[in-house]
Amino acid sequence: AQSVAQPEDQVNVAEGNPLTVKCTYSVSGNPYLFWYVQYPNRGLQFLLKYITGDNLVKGSYGFEAEFNKSQTSFHLKKPSALVSDSALYFCAVRDGLDSNYQLIWGAGTKLIIKP
Amino acid sequence: DTAVSQTPKYLVTQMGNDKSIKCEQNLGHDTMYWYKQDSKKFLKIMFSYNNKELIINETVPNRFSPKSPDKAHLNLHINSLELGDSAVYFCASSQDHSPNNSPLHFGNGTRLTVT
Repeated sequence: AQSVAQPEDQVNVAEGNPLTVKCTYSVSGNPYLFWYVQYPNRGLQFLLKYITGDNLVKGSYGFEAEFNKSQTSFHLKKPSALVSDSALYFCAVRDGLDSNYQLIWGAGTKLIIKP
Repeated sequence: DTAVSQTPKYLVTQMGNDKSIKCEQNLGHDTMYWYKQDSKKFLKIMFSYNNKELIINETVPNRFSPKSPDKAHLNLHINSLELGDSAVYFCASSQDHSPNNSPLHFGNGTRLTVT
């Protein structure tokens, strides 16, 4: 079955430290992977995606993510966290074998950056 | 310019009433979606339209009926509202529903409260 897991409900990081938000997935075909961010009382915003090619993808606001096929993971990272990065982060995957290309969403991880 | 706009932002109504939420996108996208986000922030796809044609219709009560008069608009009508319908409803659009062009653009949500 298709699924996305974000194992941490919340991640706390001190400002200036590197951050990682974890995501693992399970699909039948090739995965198409996405990260979105949601600020309070706002809709989700697209951060980055992996479709094919280089396993390290760079996105908005200095974020990057690494696709690891053997570990079926797509962790979101940033070298130096900002207080303004505090938000809710969603990982999502599309299964390349799904003709409707339906997005499967993780449950979200709340990221708190402390000054 | 707001790319995906939905109205109203807040909707408070009583059980049994019928209400509508409107959504418009000015991005020229072919595909539009309705999502429900519950109190635990979990996202659930409800419907997806591609060029006015329904392509995803998840198992939502038939009290929910989407209507797409043209590809820039996707409205959501809800009959006989129930307490459990209380949630934030997000409209979104994407260029089309293929993975390569699939990043979603979300509206800012409509917070529905049923009393």
